[in-house]
Amino acid sequence: DIQMTQSPSSLSASVGDRVTITCRASQGISNSLAWYQQKPGKAPKLLLYAASRLESGVPSRFSGSGSGTDYTLTISSLQPEDFATYYCQQYYSTPPYTFGQGTKLEIK
Amino acid sequence: QVQLVESGGGVVQPGRSLRLSCAASGFTFSSYGMHWVRQAPGKGLEWVAVIWYDGSNKYYADSVKGRFTISRDNSKNTLYLQMNSLRAEDTAVYYCAREALLGYCSGGSCYLDYWGQGTLVTVSS
Repeated sequence: DIQMTQSPSSLSASVGDRVTITCRASQGISNSLAWYQQKPGKAPKLLLYAASRLESGVPSRFSGSGSGTDYTLTISSLQPEDFATYYCQQYYSTPPYTFGQGTKLEIK
Repeated sequence: QVQLVESGGGVVQPGRSLRLSCAASGFTFSSYGMHWVRQAPGKGLEWVAVIWYDGSNKYYADSVKGRFTISRDNSKNTLYLQMNSLRAEDTAVYYCAREALLGYCSGGSCYLDYWGQGTLVTVSS
C-alpha cells in the first residue's frame, strides 16, 4: 500500500501570507494526487486533482505542484475563509485510496 | 446539482449491526463509482470502501474487511454500507463520496469530486 505523509501537521499563519503544505508518497504516484479542504463540522471539498488542476469554482490563489513522490499545495495569499484542515489523497495505486494525515491551518 | 445525503447513523452497542444509506441525486448515479470514507472524532479521513458503477467490484480497507459490505441499488439511486460486528473504533462520521468519472484519472481510479454531509455512528455500550 502507498503511504501518504503530510507536513507540517499544523501551521499558524496570518491573512495575506503565502503558505505551502507538502505531501510525500511512499512511492511514485505519477501526479495522481488530489487535495481537499475541510472546515469544522463540514464535509471535505475537492480543491485540486491531478496534482495541479484546479477544481471548478476554487479560487486561483490555490495551486498545486510536484511530481514523483513529492507534492505541494500553495495558497498564495491567505484569506479568512482558508483557515481549515487540508488533506492530500493518492489514487494512483488503489485500493486503498490513501489520505495524508491532514494539515490544520490556523490563524496566527 | 449533485446531492449526496447520508442517513442511518446512530448509537449502537459493540457487536451489533447498522446499515447506512446514501441517497444520490442530480447526476446519473448508475454511471459512477461510489465510496464510503469515515472520520473518527478529532482524527483524519480514512477510506473505507468503494463499489464500481455497476456493483461488479467492491474493495475494502483492511480495518473493515469481512465486517462491512458496500452495495448499491441503481434503480433507487442509493448507496449502502452494511456494518456488522461493530467495534468502538468504528465510531466516526461516515461520508459517501462520488468518484470522478472522466478527466485526469489513473487507470480505473479517480479522485472524489462530491461528498455528502456525513452521518455519525457511535459504537458504545
